[in-house]
Amino acid sequence: DVQMTQSPSNLAASPGESVSINCKASKSISKYLAWFQQKPGKANKLLIYSGSTLQSGTPSRFSGSGSGTDFTLTLRNLEPEDFGLYYCQQHSEYPWTFGGGTKLELK
Amino acid sequence: EVQLVESGGGLVQPGRSMKLSCAASGFTFSNYGMAWVRQAPTKGLEWVATISYDGSNTYYRDSVKGRFTISRDNPKSTLYLQMNSLRSEDTATYYCTRQTWYFDYWGQGVMVTVSS
Repeated sequence: DVQMTQSPSNLAASPGESVSINCKASKSISKYLAWFQQKPGKANKLLIYSGSTLQSGTPSRFSGSGSGTDFTLTLRNLEPEDFGLYYCQQHSEYPWTFGGGTKLELK
Repeated sequence: EVQLVESGGGLVQPGRSMKLSCAASGFTFSNYGMAWVRQAPTKGLEWVATISYDGSNTYYRDSVKGRFTISRDNPKSTLYLQMNSLRSEDTATYYCTRQTWYFDYWGQGVMVTVSS
């Protein structure tokens, strides 16, 4: 199975700041990485797929980069609604696997 | 608007069975693969099973193979997960998701608790 290692586990920031979340795969997954946002009481939201393609409705302040084994989700000019949990997931091969999550908290 | 609404969860004893359902709307259900993803309390996300758009192909994670069965009823736009021989480690919130190569829409989830 492809192991996905996400870092950091926790991140504190203020509105208006920029942050980055990293995801490392145990083997090459080409560009096939997705990023999700999870918030209490809401359905999980796909933000980015294939490494850098924004899902319809994802604000342009979100961006994804990377290929092979190393990927980054960058959030610029944080808005209050951006605080929550973020997960990466490889969609290269079965079994699909997720990173352990990053909790983005208000500083 | 795509909507996925899960039902059928609750408390079940170890070794017993439970069947989850997911009612889909807002898209042509028969055109898409579907999947179940679960999340144990305070843990991360874990893919469970996938079914192709026409039900002809199914995929499972090793820990549920032989115990869980994913199926679908396209005319009813409904996805199912039959869970047999349940174990305490199956305790989780189960999410219904639409799957292309990635999970692009999610339901809000249904809780399954396996305990005596």
